[in-house]
Amino acid sequence: AQSVTQLDSQVPVFEEAPVELRCNYSSSVSVYLFWYVQYPNQGLQLLLKYLSGSTLVKGINGFEAEFNKSQTSFHLRKPSVHISDTAEYFCAVSDPPNFGNEKLTFGTGTRLTIIP
Amino acid sequence: DVKVTQSSRYLVKRTGEKVFLECVQDMDHENMFWYRQDPGLGLRLIYFSYDVKMKEKGDIPEGYSVSREKKERFSLILESASTNQTSMYLCASSLYGQGSNQPQHFGDGTRLSIL
Repeated sequence: AQSVTQLDSQVPVFEEAPVELRCNYSSSVSVYLFWYVQYPNQGLQLLLKYLSGSTLVKGINGFEAEFNKSQTSFHLRKPSVHISDTAEYFCAVSDPPNFGNEKLTFGTGTRLTIIP
Repeated sequence: DVKVTQSSRYLVKRTGEKVFLECVQDMDHENMFWYRQDPGLGLRLIYFSYDVKMKEKGDIPEGYSVSREKKERFSLILESASTNQTSMYLCASSLYGQGSNQPQHFGDGTRLSIL
């Protein structure tokens, strides 16, 4: 079974500062990787995904993530955060591509708090 | 835009009651999922379905069942509610794709309290 580790449960960052949210996964085979965001009192929304190809993936709201196969990491970054980025961020990994297997495994989440 | 609608935002029930949580999606997605979200534990998959009348157990199916009689509707059933089922429940749907390469679209959640 896949597992996802988000080591930082809470990350406070000053407005306009850069941020990196860390995600590591356990798998020795090809997987798909996702970052989702959950704003207060809402469901999750897709930020970005890595399926194949370029290891640098750009998403919505100025976020990007880099896939590093050797370190089994998929860290999320933004060069300058805004108050509106205050949310909880979840990293997720698919089971290895397999016909009929459609599950994702989510990390425990990182709560990003932007300090004015 | 895909719309996933959960019937209730907040629900309060008593121990031992049979509880139904309803979820409807409007984009003809094959896959539908039920998760529970607890602080410090992230999202855990309860059940999912990849077709009408089909269901698969997720990571924590004990105490729950599901029903999918129509493609757009996926119901989660707590057969006899217990206090440890107090949680946020999230429904999601996605197109069918090999190896879950399709993004999941989530409802806003149902916060269920069992007293």
